Amino acid sequence: AQKITQTQPGMFVQEKEAVTLDCTYDTSDQSYGLFWYKQPSSGEMIFLIYQGSYDEQNATEGRYSLNFQKARKSANLVISASQLGDSAMYFCAMRGPNFGNEKLTFGTGTRLTIIP
Amino acid sequence: GAVVSQHPSWVICKSGTSVKIECRSLDFQATTMFWYRQFPKQSLMLMATSNEGSKATYEQGVEKDKFLINHASLTLSTLTVTSAHPEDSSFYICSASVREQDSGYTFGSGTRLTVV
Repeated sequence: AQKITQTQPGMFVQEKEAVTLDCTYDTSDQSYGLFWYKQPSSGEMIFLIYQGSYDEQNATEGRYSLNFQKARKSANLVISASQLGDSAMYFCAMRGPNFGNEKLTFGTGTRLTIIP
Repeated sequence: GAVVSQHPSWVICKSGTSVKIECRSLDFQATTMFWYRQFPKQSLMLMATSNEGSKATYEQGVEKDKFLINHASLTLSTLTVTSAHPEDSSFYICSASVREQDSGYTFGSGTRLTVV
C-alpha cells in the first residue's frame, strides 16, 4: 500500500521568501511517480510538478522545484520567491507503477499563507 | 493540454433527491476516470475508478448503490448521488489519466454539493 505523509498542516511565510513544504512517502513499488498540486479556495486542482522514481535529477518548473531524496523517501516542494497568489492548499500525491490506470494517493495537505 | 469539463460546479438539492455530476473529456479519450470526494479542510479521498464500458471499481466503504458511476463512452463519465442526504454534502472532483502529459492526470473543476 502507498502512503503519503505531510506533517505541516499550516505554514505562514513572508512574501518573497522561499518556502519548503515537506512530503514523505512509503511504497514497496520500485517504479512510482510523485506529484504536487495546488488547490486554491476555488477547489480546482492545479498541477505543479512531477518526479518519476527513476529520474536522476530533481524536477523543476519555474519557481517550483522538487527536492527528491529517494533513500529517505522524501519529495519536498520548494517554492522560491513566494508571492501572495501562492496562498493555497498544497497536496503531495503519488501513483504506482501502472501509469494510465492508477489512482493517486494524496497526503493530508499543507495550507500555505503568504504574508505581505 | 487535456481538459476535463465538470458540471455542475455547484448544486443545492433537497434531501431524498438524486443529483448527477458529469465529467467530459474535451480533447482526448478518457479510458479511466477517477472520482474523489473532499470534505472541508481535508484531503481528496478516492471513491471509485471507472473504466469505459465496464463497471466501476469502488473503494472500500463507498456505497455502490448510493454513488452510481457510469462511464458509457470515452468522453463522458457520470456520478449520480442517489437519495441524497445532508451527510453527502461535499466537494466531488473527477480526474482522468493522460499518459501523454507530464502531469499524468487532469482534473475537473469540481462540484460542490449541498443537500438541505
